[in-house]
This record gives sequence, structure tokens and C-alpha cells, in this order.
Amino acid sequence: GEDVEQSLFLSVREGDSSVINCTYTDSSSTYLYWYKQEPGAGLQLLTYIFSNMDMKQDQRLTVLLNKKDKHLSLRIADTQTGDSAIYFCAESIIGGSQGNLIFGKGTKLSVKP
Amino acid sequence: NAGVTQTPKFQVLKTGQSMTLQCAQDMNHEYMSWYRQDPGMGLRLIHYSVGAGITDQGEVPNGYNVSRSTTEDFPLRLLSAAPSQTSVYFCASSDPRGSGGYTFGSGTRLTVV
Repeated sequence: GEDVEQSLFLSVREGDSSVINCTYTDSSSTYLYWYKQEPGAGLQLLTYIFSNMDMKQDQRLTVLLNKKDKHLSLRIADTQTGDSAIYFCAESIIGGSQGNLIFGKGTKLSVKP
Repeated sequence: NAGVTQTPKFQVLKTGQSMTLQCAQDMNHEYMSWYRQDPGMGLRLIHYSVGAGITDQGEVPNGYNVSRSTTEDFPLRLLSAAPSQTSVYFCASSDPRGSGGYTFGSGTRLTVV
């Protein structure tokens, strides 16, 4: 079945780069997403990548997709304390529960000053 | 635009009580979903809808009912609340013609005692 795996915790120092990794199982995924959840809030869509792309850059965010290994990563350059949050990887499946997302359990990013 | 609006933000129920969590979106999105978020479990899909009049079960549907009489509204009903339903509930909507990324509400924190 579909599954999305992420490491649960990541700690970095302010100003460093953060790399959050994700693996997924369904090769028919069309889009892959990164969501950010701040304490007590809902999920905010950060960025997404279409499955026929290898890389997408959006200001401080870089998404890398390795379809062969079913590996997705989110790099945050110059990480700030305001980036401290839980980051969720998610995939959308065509032909399955149409229009629905399968989420990882989330990676808690802690940024130390 | 308000986006996705969930009410109430907080609720305490006694075991056996019933209630309805409200969700409304003003973006004319066809797809709507309910997720629950529990510590260490990520987000799990309860029920979803691909359009008015159409609903289907997700990963954890037991104890919940939904209906979709209009495009805008997608209420979630707890039939007889149990302590295991203590969780944070998120409603989300999506336009399937776009990238498929969901817009989330800010959540309802439910405690069943």
C-alpha cells in the first residue's frame, strides 16, 4: 500500500542549511508536497513538485526529487528560528483515493540560535 | 477570501455525546477531506468528498459520518463520542484541476472525557 516515511526530528543552528528527507512507495504519484505546521496551527502548503521534475527552487526552498529511489527532499537555506515547525511530506495518488494525499508523520525542525 | 473555516476551535465532550464539526470553504473547491492528527501518527484520512453528493471513507472512518449537500460545506459528525476520538481534526479542500495541493483549516481540538 501507499506509505510515506520521514525522520521525526532535525536540529540545526540558525544560518545553517536544513535538509528534510522523505521516501514514498507509490510510483504513480503525480505531485509531491511539502507542508509546514507551526504550533497550534493548521498545515500550510510550502511547495510542491510535479513528478516529471527533478528539482524546484523557490527562494530559500529547494525541492529535489529522485523518482528512481522514490526520494524527496526539502532544503531550507539560511535557516531561521521562524522556520522551527513540523514539516510534512505528502504524495497524491492517481487512481487510488482520487484527490487525496498520503502524509508522512512529519519532521520536527528545531532551529537553535 | 476566508479559505477553509472550521468551527468550533475547541470542544470538550462527554463519552457518548454526539456533535458536528463544521467546515466551510469559499474557494469553490470540489474536493474536501477530514483528517485527524494524533501525536506520532501524522495525519490520517477520515472521510473525503470529490463533489457535492459524493462521499467516501478514508483510512479511519469508524465512528464518524459525513455528508456533502453543497460544494461549500462538509460537516463531520461524531455519532457517539469515545475517548479514542480525542484528537485535532483538520478539514481541507482542493481544486483537482490545479496541483492538487490542499488548503487546510486551522483545526478543531476535541477532547472526549
